[in-house]
Amino acid sequence: AQTVTQSQPEMSVQEAETVTLSCTYDTSESDYYLFWYKQPPSRQMILVIRQEAYKQQNATENRFSVNFQKAAKSFSLKISDSQLGDAAMYFCAYRRANAGGTSYGKLTFGQGTILTVHP
Amino acid sequence: GAGVSQSPSNKVTEKGKDVELRCDPISGHTALYWYRQRLGQGLEFLIYFQGNSAPDKSGLPSDRFSAERTGESVSTLTIQRTQQEDSAVYLCASSPRLAGMGPYNEQFFGPGTRLTVL
Repeated sequence: AQTVTQSQPEMSVQEAETVTLSCTYDTSESDYYLFWYKQPPSRQMILVIRQEAYKQQNATENRFSVNFQKAAKSFSLKISDSQLGDAAMYFCAYRRANAGGTSYGKLTFGQGTILTVHP
Repeated sequence: GAGVSQSPSNKVTEKGKDVELRCDPISGHTALYWYRQRLGQGLEFLIYFQGNSAPDKSGLPSDRFSAERTGESVSTLTIQRTQQEDSAVYLCASSPRLAGMGPYNEQFFGPGTRLTVL
């Protein structure tokens, strides 16, 4: 079974500064997807960024970028120029890519990191 | 267009009662997922529907939990004889089709139902 671990229960950053959230995962598969989701107090899960494991290039989405280290099974999220609206709970998630089995569409989530942004 | 909707937004019930939680997926989305999120925790997969295929119930924590989906529309998650440990936010997500190899199909989440069992 796959597991996802986020070792930072809480992180804080000053507005306009950069912060990195850590995530490690365990899997025996070679093809998979990794994601970072944001969950503000409204509970709405918002996809921030995704990475396909077969791509060596790190994904970027505006101020959000990842550092994907496949051999180390590490997938960190970097938020540049942090904004007050970035404050939320951030979840790292894993999903199988191969079509074997019936539940490969499900997401496996880490425990989450609460990000506080100070003005 | 409308996103995934869930009702009720909040539900308070007494231990031992049955509850039904509803999810309306985005129109045309064939895949539907239920997740549970305990306070301060990540999401746990419960059940997955894909079109007319048999659902994947591998995440249901006990036989008190069941879910149904009519075709590619509404889904209902039922919890019988609720226990205090069932208190959580129950989130539903839908995606356009079975997410296999090739272009990834994002899961779109609803706002969840917060269930409190007294």
